[in-house]
Amino acid sequence: DGGITQSPKYLFRKEGQNVTLSCEQNLNHDAMYWYRQDPGQGLRLIYYSQIVNDFQKGDIAEGYSVSREKKESFPLTVTSAQKNPTAFYLCAVGEGGSNQPQHFGDGTRLSIL
Amino acid sequence: GDSVTQMEGPVTLSEEAFLTINCTYTATGYPSLFWYVQYPGEGLQLLLKATKADDKGSNKGFEATYRKETTSFHLEKGSVQVSDSAVYFCALSDRGAQKLVFGQGTRLTINP
Repeated sequence: DGGITQSPKYLFRKEGQNVTLSCEQNLNHDAMYWYRQDPGQGLRLIYYSQIVNDFQKGDIAEGYSVSREKKESFPLTVTSAQKNPTAFYLCAVGEGGSNQPQHFGDGTRLSIL
Repeated sequence: GDSVTQMEGPVTLSEEAFLTINCTYTATGYPSLFWYVQYPGEGLQLLLKATKADDKGSNKGFEATYRKETTSFHLEKGSVQVSDSAVYFCALSDRGAQKLVFGQGTRLTINP
């Protein structure tokens, strides 16, 4: 979706290294989400934030960390504790309210060197 | 917890065929329901939504009706095109935490 920028598009991680995926939005929405997508599977929620300076763990938070210092930004760090990080990572922004959709960025593909 | 089950793919059809992708859900309360589409190497795009029972969402020739009695939200299109080839995801919104729960996705291929 326009208004949500994920970078980089491709990222490579060495063993024992932490890497950070960027997600920026100019839609002025409060809620932001990180999902992981593995081949042939649906999306699984890693972390989400409904307001600045607050975030909650999703279903698969182990080995990941986030921060929400600004409304526009919700970076995801994949730590060395995440033993199987190879996946497609998607950031989403929510309009607010359970009957409103989430809008997605174009994703970052993370691979292990 | 809440869950979404989609028909297994891949689904392969000829151009102009009728499409149905089944989606059923399990949820406490009354979730909102969504269909998203993902083209290769891209993020998900919202295709349509329905927020209450008997609502019909529609977009680009696709339709889906929120059926509370059968807990279903099947996606249909009367005449598919090659450009409809993509992966389709059914999802529900958990009203309490405002999270989306996704099905596993259905890969659709349309042959000319």
